[in-house]
Amino acid sequence: GAVVSQHPSRVICKSGTSVKIECRSLDFQATTMFWYRQFPKKSLMLMATSNEGSKATYEQGVEKDKFLINHASLTLSTLTVTSAHPEDSSFYICSAHRQGSNQPQHFGDGTRLSIL
Amino acid sequence: GENVEQHPSTLSVQEGDSAVIKCTYSDSASNYFPWYKQELGKRPQLIIDIRSNVGEKKDQRIAVTLNKTAKHFSLHITETQPEDSAVYFCAADTGTASKLTFGTGTRLQVTL
Repeated sequence: GAVVSQHPSRVICKSGTSVKIECRSLDFQATTMFWYRQFPKKSLMLMATSNEGSKATYEQGVEKDKFLINHASLTLSTLTVTSAHPEDSSFYICSAHRQGSNQPQHFGDGTRLSIL
Repeated sequence: GENVEQHPSTLSVQEGDSAVIKCTYSDSASNYFPWYKQELGKRPQLIIDIRSNVGEKKDQRIAVTLNKTAKHFSLHITETQPEDSAVYFCAADTGTASKLTFGTGTRLQVTL
């Protein structure tokens, strides 16, 4: 099946640091990538939808200046958590999808972000 | 927007028994309903999905049923095994930008 690589898998850093997470579709062209956030024992909450070459669409309540999303190519999207604080600690998961295909979203392995 | 409710939140069954998880959705335009299994700290894995033009789909021990009129769909796992223990999420997609709305999850525990 399709492979989506997410990196890094784990980040521990100090408060105030900006952290970049990469999501790559390895064997297909992803016209759309999604970024989710998951708190412990909770569901996946969609943060934003990213379409290649255009600005991301953010869900209500998600600060676009806090969570910068770039989708510069059909195989790569990045999420940057700017000036991270302890409340940003969470599990972040990306997924990739090819618009117009009958294929489901393919998820990355997730990034566990811990802000000290 | 779409709202997906999922029940129960936890489910404990004995090995060999069946498990049923139910979800309801609010948006009648939703037409794709996947189910995901997630183990601790891992990615959600698609285990089965169903589209709105089908009422039931089966894959070995796993089946999904869909009632469009009532706007609910269910996951059925038969002959459960300890390795079925995980958190299961339902989701609904209106087909617009393939945006998934997830249910709240069900923690399934299969005991020996």
